[in-house]
Amino acid sequence: GAGVSQSPSNKVTEKGKDVELRCDPISGHTALYWYRQSLGQGLEFLIYFQGNSAPDKSGLPSDRFSAERTGGSVSTLTIQRTQQEDSAVYLCASSLVGELFFGEGSRLTVL
Amino acid sequence: GENVEQHPSTLSVQEGDSAVIKCTYSDSASNYFPWYKQELGKRPQLIIDIRSNVGEKKDQRIAVTLNKTAKHFSLHITETQPEDSAVYFCAARLHGSSNTGKLIFGQGTTLQVKP
Repeated sequence: GAGVSQSPSNKVTEKGKDVELRCDPISGHTALYWYRQSLGQGLEFLIYFQGNSAPDKSGLPSDRFSAERTGGSVSTLTIQRTQQEDSAVYLCASSLVGELFFGEGSRLTVL
Repeated sequence: GENVEQHPSTLSVQEGDSAVIKCTYSDSASNYFPWYKQELGKRPQLIIDIRSNVGEKKDQRIAVTLNKTAKHFSLHITETQPEDSAVYFCAARLHGSSNTGKLIFGQGTTLQVKP
């Protein structure tokens, strides 16, 4: 497909476990973003990748969160030692110029 | 860092009335201001955007105005319809040389249009 693809769409995990969320951006898009959306809340910026530049990690809430982007394409957001407050929808978006194209999101539930 | 404030958090209007959502931003170097619409259970989608060299932009029933001096911008929806009901997010971005940059969103406005 031509859109942004995220997996898994749903993830239920136990407190303390690590999780990995994957994002496949639109081919050719140089910019990639991760946002977190808690139930009924806004879009909280987490991290931004642009080409080969160092990512802007200023939105990551703690050192339990990390993200990487391999080969300028696929990105993985990793949350270590998950906590209940990490429960949210994690949205990935990619962009070439201007408009962000969002994926469907990965819904994370930490029990 | 950039901060974007959005008001109101909820807005209820009668079908056919106008709706206005306002945002303020903190970083005077911001120069790109998009608006996204998120329907229930769906992903956010761009509905209109404006760049800092323009004061107003219109697309059919929606328009956006920008006041750079005051650092605020607004979304105007005229002749509202029930299908306009959604959450609307404003955003602000510092453009880098690549024509992209970190995009910071407001807290969102839940618009309800009553038939």
